[in-house]
Amino acid sequence: DAGVTQSPTHLIKTRGQHVTLRCSPISGHKSVSWYQQVLGQGPQFIFQYYEKEERGRGNFPDRFSARQFPNYSSELNVNALLLGDSALYLCASSRTGGREKLFFGSGTQLSVL
Amino acid sequence: DAKTTQPNSMESNEEEPVHLPCNHSTISGTDYIHWYRQLPSQGPEYVIHGLTSNVNNRMASLAIAEDRKSSTLILHRATLRDAAVYYCILREMKAAGNKLTFGGGTRVLVKP
Repeated sequence: DAGVTQSPTHLIKTRGQHVTLRCSPISGHKSVSWYQQVLGQGPQFIFQYYEKEERGRGNFPDRFSARQFPNYSSELNVNALLLGDSALYLCASSRTGGREKLFFGSGTQLSVL
Repeated sequence: DAKTTQPNSMESNEEEPVHLPCNHSTISGTDYIHWYRQLPSQGPEYVIHGLTSNVNNRMASLAIAEDRKSSTLILHRATLRDAAVYYCILREMKAAGNKLTFGGGTRVLVKP
């Protein structure tokens, strides 16, 4: 079975633009979470979605939004990009969205110039 | 969120054991201790977790102190593929969902 897949793998944007990142969970997994990892730091939780509903939100501004589709894939949207949004964005999936182990994708590397 | 403290980095020789310490003095009675690792250019990968008793799996062993204020991840025979950042994380029983609170982790260097 395929693991968690994310697209694109790399992306370059300029300040003020918006970006959409995509994630496909492992087959059978109904929960998707998003994390931001700035260089040299551990990942930080952004959102969790389960059955198309938001289950949790981290301490990120409203410029960050996400949604989950009926096939359980997910999109992360970031508006009005800032230089500080440059980071690796990681998607993780799990079966039920509870306190089970997470399976992470390899991430999308976003550079904002 | 309960906090964990880990050394920034550790070195090991190939084929030797690696003991990665983690302090979590503010752990509550129902917090699980989870370990993830992140290899270069990859997302984090689950390693092991435990509550009170020591745990073993094919990847590693987890030794938990009797007072639960610290734990140690043990890689029995380090290989070059074990070079990664290892994160010790507390999963709070009262917290819903998939939120993991990562710290800075321990960067493990394995020398041939």
